[in-house]
Amino acid sequence: DAKTTQPNSMESNEEEPVHLPCNHSTISGTDYIHWYRQLPSQGPEYVIHGLTSNVNNRMASLAIAEDRKSSTLILHRATLRDAAVYYCICRGSNYKLTFGKGTLLTVNP
Amino acid sequence: AAGVIQSPRHLIKEKRETATLKCYPIPRHDTVYWYQQGPGQDPQFLISFYEKMQSDKGSIPDRFSAQQFSDYHSELNMSSLELGDSALYFCASSPPGFGGHTDTQYFGPGTRLTVL
Repeated sequence: DAKTTQPNSMESNEEEPVHLPCNHSTISGTDYIHWYRQLPSQGPEYVIHGLTSNVNNRMASLAIAEDRKSSTLILHRATLRDAAVYYCICRGSNYKLTFGKGTLLTVNP
Repeated sequence: AAGVIQSPRHLIKEKRETATLKCYPIPRHDTVYWYQQGPGQDPQFLISFYEKMQSDKGSIPDRFSAQQFSDYHSELNMSSLELGDSALYFCASSPPGFGGHTDTQYFGPGTRLTVL
């Protein structure tokens, strides 16, 4: 799986949008980009995934650069419950998720 | 909605003892994954099973073994426990589908293993 690089931490205010970046310059053409998050004392939770096109779901949006070397997870209105570690994972044709050093998101009230 | 069930939630063992962790996937999910998360670390993949066959293997110690049973539940057996095995162990499951890199994994709450 391609290596990903994310900021160690980010801070946001409640009700504001949050843009979490991820670099994956060695991504292969068939790798999917997955985002998971881990709330304190809980198991990881799926957020969103995509291949080439931007994706939206009820939790977030995923914007993928045209060259696929980077992506951005967008939380449209951060809440206190969104405070978590966010992991960007490039997933090849295998079963496992390879977690790197994610981004710790702090949401201020 | 039903979630992944893991038991026990907490387990305390002495060095050199054995431990068995159990995972009950979401109904109709056929793939199970095991991850280990040490203190202050990120989850690391151990092993996975698809339709009761091992499908992928990570950095799982030889002291550990796992299997998936006919009802799709899985057990992780850990022998000769060491202090370094103290960690959170997560099980995840995914539904039938194309498999691999598009599947969503649904994680359980984890088993916290403490080795004294």
